[in-house]
Amino acid sequence: NAGVTQTPKFRVLKTGQSMTLLCAQDMNHEYMYWYRQDPGMGLRLIHYSVGEGTTAKGEVPDGYNVSRLKKQNFLLGLESAAPSQTSVYFCASKAREVGELFFGEGSRLTVL
Amino acid sequence: GQNIDQPTEMTATEGAIVQINCTYQTSGFNGLFWYQQHAGEAPTFLSYNVLDGLEEKGRFSSFLSRSKGYSYLLLKELQMKDSASYLCAVVDSNYQLIWGAGTKLIIKP
Repeated sequence: NAGVTQTPKFRVLKTGQSMTLLCAQDMNHEYMYWYRQDPGMGLRLIHYSVGEGTTAKGEVPDGYNVSRLKKQNFLLGLESAAPSQTSVYFCASKAREVGELFFGEGSRLTVL
Repeated sequence: GQNIDQPTEMTATEGAIVQINCTYQTSGFNGLFWYQQHAGEAPTFLSYNVLDGLEEKGRFSSFLSRSKGYSYLLLKELQMKDSASYLCAVVDSNYQLIWGAGTKLIIKP
């Protein structure tokens, strides 16, 4: 029972490099989210999707792009990484508008 | 603006009871969640309240007062494994989750 799977778990980037974080869920959930978590701050929403083919901006979308071409996958891209994007990134999904969020294990990204 | 307030850190003794408070000011209200997050791990669901009152689930209980914009999480018979951060989150009128910064709970023997 995989639930929500994120890859990679760890990554070190140099400033200006690009990368993609992959989130996959096997629960047939409509809603998917990308959050970042920094020390002393709550989870901050980057982008989210309410269904296949749809995406929307969250609280801190600048510097990130997303795609949801398949219902089970939600990709988060960094086109030109900056040190301010050093963080732990969590993907999450849920079945309905008000429901329990299921989180992936997190991806720790360091930008030098 | 929207705001969720929780204490940054609390300390309690193994076997005791601890209450973690959460106050909120949001545009609308469609429920309040509590999540537990152990260090280095993902948050996991603990409870959901949408009506006023107390919801009990084993050693954990969650209370909500919508008129006061207030909730608390009550943990009884504390165990060392309860050392974690506890996150309060409110569903606003747009069905978005607004997260508090979390309360780090330290359990001492």
